[in-house]
Amino acid sequence: NAGVTQTPKFRILKIGQSMTLQCTQDMNHNYMYWYRQDPGMGLKLIYYSVGAGITDKGEVPNGYNVSRSTTEDFPLRLELAAPSQTSVYFCASTRAGGRVFTGELFFGEGSRLTVL
Amino acid sequence: EDKVVQSPLSLVVHEGDTVTLNCSYEVTNFRSLLWYKQEKKAPTFLFMLTSSGIEKKSGRLSSILDKKELFSILNITATQTGDSAIYLCAVTNAGGTSYGKLTFGQGTILTVHP
Repeated sequence: NAGVTQTPKFRILKIGQSMTLQCTQDMNHNYMYWYRQDPGMGLKLIYYSVGAGITDKGEVPNGYNVSRSTTEDFPLRLELAAPSQTSVYFCASTRAGGRVFTGELFFGEGSRLTVL
Repeated sequence: EDKVVQSPLSLVVHEGDTVTLNCSYEVTNFRSLLWYKQEKKAPTFLFMLTSSGIEKKSGRLSSILDKKELFSILNITATQTGDSAIYLCAVTNAGGTSYGKLTFGQGTILTVHP
């Protein structure tokens, strides 16, 4: 099973460039998330989605955009990259139904982004 | 805004020691508290706690939640070098479509020396 797949694993951007981090999952999960993790820190939620066509902001959404046109894919778009966006980005997914939530997120391996 | 604070931020112990990691939280409409372990790459799930006073246990790891005092502890007994990792605490709330939204703390970096 592939699980949650993120691409690219590494990327260096120049200030002002744009890029998209891809995330796809093959577990038919309805919930998907994007987190960023700075060195020595916990995870900060950027955006999340509870199903196709529905997205919502997390703690740190500024400078990012998302879309969820299918259940499988949840790309994260960085517009006008800034050095403050240098971080490791994790995509995650889980299945929840009604008010049932297991708490177990399945994470991708992460994408390390450097903005110079 | 939901808030999760973990302590200590880092901890260095020797194999065989017992450690206690702390997590306090403020969240609107609390639903659950979760513990994750992060080694080199992505976090992996340890426990979810929803009811106060109930202990979740898996081998040498155990966790308990105090909903009145708004905190949780994660205990690791007889530590091994393989327990070296970042331990992350997260909370979810029960508000509408945001009930699957996880807010993480900053993590505790545990280092276990042989």
